[in-house]
Amino acid sequence: DAMVIQNPRYQVTQFGKPVTLSCSQTLNHNVMYWYQQKSSQAPKLLFHYYDKDFNNEADTPDNFQSRRPNTSFCFLDIRSPGLGDAAMYLCATSRDRGVYNEQFFGPGTRLTVL
Amino acid sequence: AQSVTQLGSHVSVSEGALVLLRCNYSSSVPPYLFWYVQYPNQGLQLLLKYTSAATLVKGINDFEAEFKKSETSFHLTKPSAHMSDAAEYFCAVSDRDAGNMLTFGGGTRLMVKP
Repeated sequence: DAMVIQNPRYQVTQFGKPVTLSCSQTLNHNVMYWYQQKSSQAPKLLFHYYDKDFNNEADTPDNFQSRRPNTSFCFLDIRSPGLGDAAMYLCATSRDRGVYNEQFFGPGTRLTVL
Repeated sequence: AQSVTQLGSHVSVSEGALVLLRCNYSSSVPPYLFWYVQYPNQGLQLLLKYTSAATLVKGINDFEAEFKKSETSFHLTKPSAHMSDAAEYFCAVSDRDAGNMLTFGGGTRLMVKP
């Protein structure tokens, strides 16, 4: 089945230790998104790629970076995680950026910062 | 920017009872609206979407939503709740002022009592 895969599902890191989260998709979609979701809150968009074009949300901290080496894969790098970065990180894809485009979500990676 | 308000962060119903989750939007143009469901420690799954083709939209698992322009509402309903419906539900609008990115409501946690 075509899908969005996130690895690992659970990630524990230490305060200040860089961490990378991975997302892959078999849908061949043009757009890939990264969201941060804290407990009992709505997902918050960090950035998205439209093909190779990177689009950063204005309030996304510089601590968060992303890479998309090819259509299928996208990575979220947190350079120096703080306690406030503990959250669920969701990857999503859509065929295009049209107003009616459905986003398909992965299962998420829950990040714990010690 | 467009916005979405979900009234009631928590809703509790008995098994077999009607489910009603409220969503109101603000938009100066015809909106494209979505309902997503999130089960614990999972990503978001699309329940249904409104794209102006019909005001009553049917989704998966017997959920449906009615778009009412006069009330700027897109409430989600299900005639008979199942235990398996217990989850977090998010209403979202495709925000044309933000490059068609999704703007989510705050979410409603549905609890189903036996």
